[in-house]
Amino acid sequence: AQTVTQSQPEMSVQEAETVTLSCTYDTSESDYYLFWYKQPPSRQMILVIRQEAYKQQNATENRFSVNFQKAAKSFSLKISDSQLGDAAMYFCAYRPPQGGSEKLVFGKGTKLTVNP
Amino acid sequence: NAGVTQTPKFRILKIGQSMTLQCTQDMNHNYMYWYRQDPGMGLKLIYYSVGAGITDKGEVPNGYNVSRSTTEDFPLRLELAAPSQTSVYFCASSYAEENSPLHFGNGTRLTVT
Repeated sequence: AQTVTQSQPEMSVQEAETVTLSCTYDTSESDYYLFWYKQPPSRQMILVIRQEAYKQQNATENRFSVNFQKAAKSFSLKISDSQLGDAAMYFCAYRPPQGGSEKLVFGKGTKLTVNP
Repeated sequence: NAGVTQTPKFRILKIGQSMTLQCTQDMNHNYMYWYRQDPGMGLKLIYYSVGAGITDKGEVPNGYNVSRSTTEDFPLRLELAAPSQTSVYFCASSYAEENSPLHFGNGTRLTVT
């Protein structure tokens, strides 16, 4: 079974600095999809960024980018110019190519604190 | 855009009571899901549906039931509440495409005492 591991239960960063959140996954598939979700204190789950495994180029969304290392099965999230509003739980998620979203597997999350 | 709407936001149940968590989406998504989130854990899939009239079990279905009579609605039923069902419950929906992200509701915090 696929597993997703987020090895950093908590991280902190100074406002305006850069932070990287780690995620590794275990799969025997060659094609799959990876996501980062943000959960602020409001509890809502918000999509931050997604990556298709067949794409070599790392995905970027404004201040958020990923470092996708397919051979190492690593999918880290980099937040640049951190803002107070970035404080949240961040969840990494993996989805295999067949079966659709019902096979989505989440990591346990990383709590990010942004210090002013 | 309402997106995915869950009700109620909070609920306290006594052991053995029953309740239904409501979920509706207005994005015409085929797929809908119910997750639970326990403290310090990621989300675990309870049930999902790929379309009206079709439902299937996820990772942790015991103690729950679902139905999908319309594309928009996907209620989750707890028949005999147990303390182990104390959790935050999320409903989500998506298109069928493999790279389609999930859209989540705001969650229901349920306490069973």
